[in-house]
Amino acid sequence: KQEVTQIPAALSVPEGENLVLNCSFTDSAIYNLQWFRQDPGKGLTSLLLIQSSQREQTSGRLNASLDKSSGRSTLYIAASQPGDSATYLCAVFKAAGNKLTFGGGTRVLVKP
Amino acid sequence: SAVISQKPSRDICQRGTSLTIQCQVDSQVTMMFWYRQQPGQSLTLIATANQGSEATYESGFVIDKFPISRPNLTFSTLTVSNMSPEDSSIYLCSGNRGGTGELFFGEGSRLTVL
Repeated sequence: KQEVTQIPAALSVPEGENLVLNCSFTDSAIYNLQWFRQDPGKGLTSLLLIQSSQREQTSGRLNASLDKSSGRSTLYIAASQPGDSATYLCAVFKAAGNKLTFGGGTRVLVKP
Repeated sequence: SAVISQKPSRDICQRGTSLTIQCQVDSQVTMMFWYRQQPGQSLTLIATANQGSEATYESGFVIDKFPISRPNLTFSTLTVSNMSPEDSSIYLCSGNRGGTGELFFGEGSRLTVL
């Protein structure tokens, strides 16, 4: 059974610092990995999708890496802003059975 | 990105009643899923909504409690039946875009059961 873990569970940084969010998964046979952002009481917004054959994806200030063999992904957010405050979730999609497994999320607070 | 709209966005219900949540997706979506997010928790998959046939439920979720319909490719409903306070959660509809497999979510339906 796939298990996805996100560390740390919560993170507080001053504005301008770079954010590093970690995601680990136990079964390396994944189809893709996706990072989401969730604001309180809201749905999820897709940030980055990394296919299993890719090593990283970039979008603006966001960069996500994937190391399948070690079961890890890292989301980097450069020059953080107060508007980046949210919960960040990673999820892995296993082609067989079409199951998406979520991590517990990292709650980020960027202080002005 | 795919467009997914969900309603109601929130509701307060009495114990023992049922509530139906509707989800409309655009034509890019191939698969549809329903998730539950209990307070302070991550997301748990309830079921995969199959067009024109019974949904595929995950362990711990049953059709009698969470009947799901998907009469066509772009519309699905989830009913939370005979509600109790333990059903208070955010229920999220999602769609998987064919090809990349990228998953998109609606805004969620926040349900409070008194």
